[in-house]
Amino acid sequence: SAVISQKPSRDICQRGTSLTIQCQVDSQVTMMFWYRQQPGQSLTLIATANQGSEATYESGFVIDKFPISRPNLTFSTLTVSNMSPEDSSIYLCSVVSRGLYEQYFGPGTRLTVT
Amino acid sequence: AQKITQTQPGMFVQEKEAVTLDCTYDTSDPSYGLFWYKQPSSGEMIFLIYQGSYDQQNATEGRYSLNFQKARKSANLVISASQLGDSAMYFCAMRGYNAGKSTFGDGTTLTVKP
Repeated sequence: SAVISQKPSRDICQRGTSLTIQCQVDSQVTMMFWYRQQPGQSLTLIATANQGSEATYESGFVIDKFPISRPNLTFSTLTVSNMSPEDSSIYLCSVVSRGLYEQYFGPGTRLTVT
Repeated sequence: AQKITQTQPGMFVQEKEAVTLDCTYDTSDPSYGLFWYKQPSSGEMIFLIYQGSYDQQNATEGRYSLNFQKARKSANLVISASQLGDSAMYFCAMRGYNAGKSTFGDGTTLTVKP
């Protein structure tokens, strides 16, 4: 299995500011994803992070609001821009390892926007 | 398109008893994988068990087993000998072998009573 770390683990931010979340994996992985989980709800896929190119966003999510970088096979960042209280969620990084099928998740970043 | 249905928003079980969490799915992919995750109150997503659509045997991992009935498109999770630490949200998910992203159900909250 892949070991995934995320920073920060939690943060409280003021509306209108931006937060960048980092995701580091201990091995090269084929695919990296960013999910959002609003309180009491299931996971919603924000985007697939593509190495060296623009991320692939799901319906309802745009690059200006959630810019994503993936400079190599083991690292990605998600920025939540111009935050509002509706952005208060857990943000999860997830990976699929090369040669395996299982999908693993990082510990999550718990974001509260005031 | 893929769809996961978990019909039990909440379940209760007595400590040391077995419990079954229901999951049905729908997909047009000929090959796919089914997963179960546990999410305790800390927020992390813990991978529990995986079942491939062509696997002949039901998957087992310790106290977890997956009751896979392909014709019925169901992939129920069975937890044997429940422990207080099993209290958490449980998500069923699936991914096609040729697809990158997974589809998640709405989750079932399991409460283990002492």
